[in-house]
Amino acid sequence: AQSVTQLDSQVPVFEEAPVELRCNYSSSVSVYLFWYVQYPNQGLQLLLKYLSGSTLVKGINGFEAEFNKSQTSFHLRKPSVHISDTAEYFCAVIRTQGGSEKLVFGKGTKLTVNP
Amino acid sequence: EPEVTQTPSHQVTQMGQEVILRCVPISNHLYFYWYRQILGQKVEFLVSFYNNEISEKSEIFDDQFSVERPDGSNFTLKIRSTKLEDSAMYFCASSEVDSNQPQHFGDGTRLSIL
Repeated sequence: AQSVTQLDSQVPVFEEAPVELRCNYSSSVSVYLFWYVQYPNQGLQLLLKYLSGSTLVKGINGFEAEFNKSQTSFHLRKPSVHISDTAEYFCAVIRTQGGSEKLVFGKGTKLTVNP
Repeated sequence: EPEVTQTPSHQVTQMGQEVILRCVPISNHLYFYWYRQILGQKVEFLVSFYNNEISEKSEIFDDQFSVERPDGSNFTLKIRSTKLEDSAMYFCASSEVDSNQPQHFGDGTRLSIL
């Protein structure tokens, strides 16, 4: 079975500061990795995904994430955040094989960007 | 950009009643999903649906729940005999066939059981 741990439930930062949202996963099989963002009163929107290849993936809104297989991590980063980045961020995994299509999510990290 | 649409956005139902949550997936997608998020908890997988049948379901998805694709566009989740603990945000998602294709989510239906 797969599991995802997001170590920080809340992350407050000031505008234009860098941010890192941490995600670790546990799986006995290889997985694809995703970050989703949820703005208030909206659904989950895909930020970026790691399938294979380069371990640094770039997503929308200036976010990027780095896959580290040895540390089973997929941390999300942005060098300079905006007020509009205030949202909840979810890390998720899905098995690459075995016919399972279910996304397994972490508990989410609430990012609050203050002026 | 095409999107997944869910109706209603908020549903209030008396305990014991049946409720149907509706979703219109993206038109060329073939996999459909329901997830739920109880307040303060993780987003949890309920069920996936492909080729007019359930392809996978979680232990949460018991006989109280059913899914249906009644026509070429809608995908519904029916909850029979609702309980207080069914109160949650329910998300519909759809994707193209392969697991490396991202799932696209709707805005959710907030279900409140009284």
